[in-house]
Amino acid sequence: DGGITQSPKYLFRKEGQNVTLSCEQNLNHDAMYWYRQDPGQGLRLIYYSQIVNDFQKGDIAEGYSVSREKKESFPLTVTSAQKNPTAFYLCASSMGLAGAQEQFFGPGTRLTVL
Amino acid sequence: AQSVAQPEDQVNVAEGNPLTVKCTYSVSGNPYLFWYVQYPNRGLQFLLKYITGDNLVKGSYGFEAEFNKSQTSFHLKKPSALVSDSALYFCAVRDDTGRRALTFGSGTRLQVQP
Repeated sequence: DGGITQSPKYLFRKEGQNVTLSCEQNLNHDAMYWYRQDPGQGLRLIYYSQIVNDFQKGDIAEGYSVSREKKESFPLTVTSAQKNPTAFYLCASSMGLAGAQEQFFGPGTRLTVL
Repeated sequence: AQSVAQPEDQVNVAEGNPLTVKCTYSVSGNPYLFWYVQYPNRGLQFLLKYITGDNLVKGSYGFEAEFNKSQTSFHLKKPSALVSDSALYFCAVRDDTGRRALTFGSGTRLQVQP
């Protein structure tokens, strides 16, 4: 899983609560990403960031928020507005957004809504 | 716009036999193509990528992939499958005209029987 850490590994949330998933990388990468994985649907992009203090919505940003205050960190908040948050969440990073840079992935956080 | 299709949800192959996992893509410009593998409850691991040049790309663990521009395909292959190759495989694409995250296919589960 390279130099990307995600915590916690498992997270349980009650209905109506906001929760924050942590993602840290020590690869000196500029770009970072959040994906959601559901069975049979592959990976869907939530948010991505090219550089500190900048981020863009992906395909399924509704009900999620992010911040990029430091190069190494890209936390994801799952808000109470997200209707079906139970999923496996993957953070990734790459040297940049352009070109043929591969993305490196963290080990993931499994979120379950009780 | 960019998209990826993996037409098979599951591929079954006997150990020692060759394997193929199919992928087709659609992009506006020239494609950058990637294959990743995922083991249960883990992040994705990079296997190989196509940028330009030789249509046959060699990657990790004996895997290779063949780029076919006319068929817009990038099939993953291995001459002799191992039981330990059993996992979930994802194809991904990015075009060279913009700055965007990778778009992933829905994944293909490879089952290698002893």
